[in-house]
Amino acid sequence: ETGVTQSPTHLIKTRGQQVTLRCSSQSGHNTVSWYQQALGQGPQFIFQYYREEENGRGNFPPRFSGLQFPNYSSELNVNALELDDSALYLCASSPGGSPQETQYFGPGTRLLVL
Amino acid sequence: GESVGLHLPTLSVQEGDNSIINCAYSNSASDYFIWYKQESGKGPQFIIDIRSNMDKRQGQRVTVLLNKTVKHLSLQIAATQPGDSAVYFCAENFNNNDMRFGAGTRLTVKP
Repeated sequence: ETGVTQSPTHLIKTRGQQVTLRCSSQSGHNTVSWYQQALGQGPQFIFQYYREEENGRGNFPPRFSGLQFPNYSSELNVNALELDDSALYLCASSPGGSPQETQYFGPGTRLLVL
Repeated sequence: GESVGLHLPTLSVQEGDNSIINCAYSNSASDYFIWYKQESGKGPQFIIDIRSNMDKRQGQRVTVLLNKTVKHLSLQIAATQPGDSAVYFCAENFNNNDMRFGAGTRLTVKP
């Protein structure tokens, strides 16, 4: 176990709704990265937060947004849900925001959009 | 190799044999690489990493080889066990904090 926790474990939403996913990082880690993993594919980088600031973003539209809190936990918000947003959403924590750090993943939140 | 949707490359080995999983990465400027193992219903689990100033690194029962000339990474698992059955991903730090994952290889270990 990595010590990274995510909630909820599963979620069902309908198209057009909004969703908030949560992640608690491993103790001592100040960086959280979010990934989307579609069925049968590798994780795709959404964005990273380091000390409460966005520290890099992948090719995702602005309706994907995030927050990091002073305790380094994080939220991923997705507005105007689309069917293609159905996926496993993973967060990963790392110690210090460097590109050469190991990222430790949580178990993920499985989102289904109907 | 590349895969589309559910058609992951697969590797089937006999218990006790050695496994070799290959990965082609895309950015010649990437300088950090990781292998992850993902079991069904779980998040990716760190196995081993390697920096671009190395061409080989060994862990417990695993070895990663890096060939920067052809942008190729491999993971060798010695004495493969049924518990090694999973999907294996290579990842590169493609651009700053964008960790770019490959398509994955499904390893099945036959008893």
